Amino acid sequence: AQSVTQLDSHVSVSEGTPVLLRCNYSSSYSPSLFWYVQHPNKGLQLLLKYTSAATLVKGINGFEAEFKKSETSFHLTKPSAHMSDAAEYFCVVPYYGGSQGNLIFGKGTKLSVKP
Amino acid sequence: GAVVSQHPSRVICKSGTSVKIECRSLDFQATTMFWYRQFPKQSLMLMATSNEGSKATYEQGVEKDKFLINHASLTLSTLTVTSAHPEDSSFYICSARGTTVSTDTQYFGPGTRLTVL
Repeated sequence: AQSVTQLDSHVSVSEGTPVLLRCNYSSSYSPSLFWYVQHPNKGLQLLLKYTSAATLVKGINGFEAEFKKSETSFHLTKPSAHMSDAAEYFCVVPYYGGSQGNLIFGKGTKLSVKP
Repeated sequence: GAVVSQHPSRVICKSGTSVKIECRSLDFQATTMFWYRQFPKQSLMLMATSNEGSKATYEQGVEKDKFLINHASLTLSTLTVTSAHPEDSSFYICSARGTTVSTDTQYFGPGTRLTVL
């Protein structure tokens, strides 16, 4: 069965410092993987997605994630946090690992950015 | 591109009444739409999947007679919460997937906050 585990429920950083949000996945084959962001009382916005074309994926707003099969990880990073990055972030894997099916959401990581 | 809207954004209703939430894909044809529910400080839970022109598939534990889903066109799906009760209060989010946009990606609406008094 496929699953994603977000290792931190809450991450707090200072503005201008790097961001690291951790995600590990479990899958019997190479999955597609996504990161979504949700600002308070808003829907979800796709940050980036991995679909096996390249292990380092660049997304919007300066975020990127690296797919590491050996570590079964897909951590989200950003070199310098901005106040507007404060939000909830979800690591997501499609249920069937490809273009079919539903999404399995991690429990989310709340990112706080201090001035 | 790939914009999904929801209406209303917020709704307050009395217990026992029904509420309809609309989900629209604005610039693509959504062959499949999904309805999620999100409780405070929790992740999204899939309620049902609907394909245009066919009956929705509900996840285990979701009452299909309470949460009526209609996907009558390639740009519109509706979720009707019938005989709403306070425990139905939640944040409802729809998403859509189509054939003219990236087929492995779901595009999410902004959500609807339902409060049942």
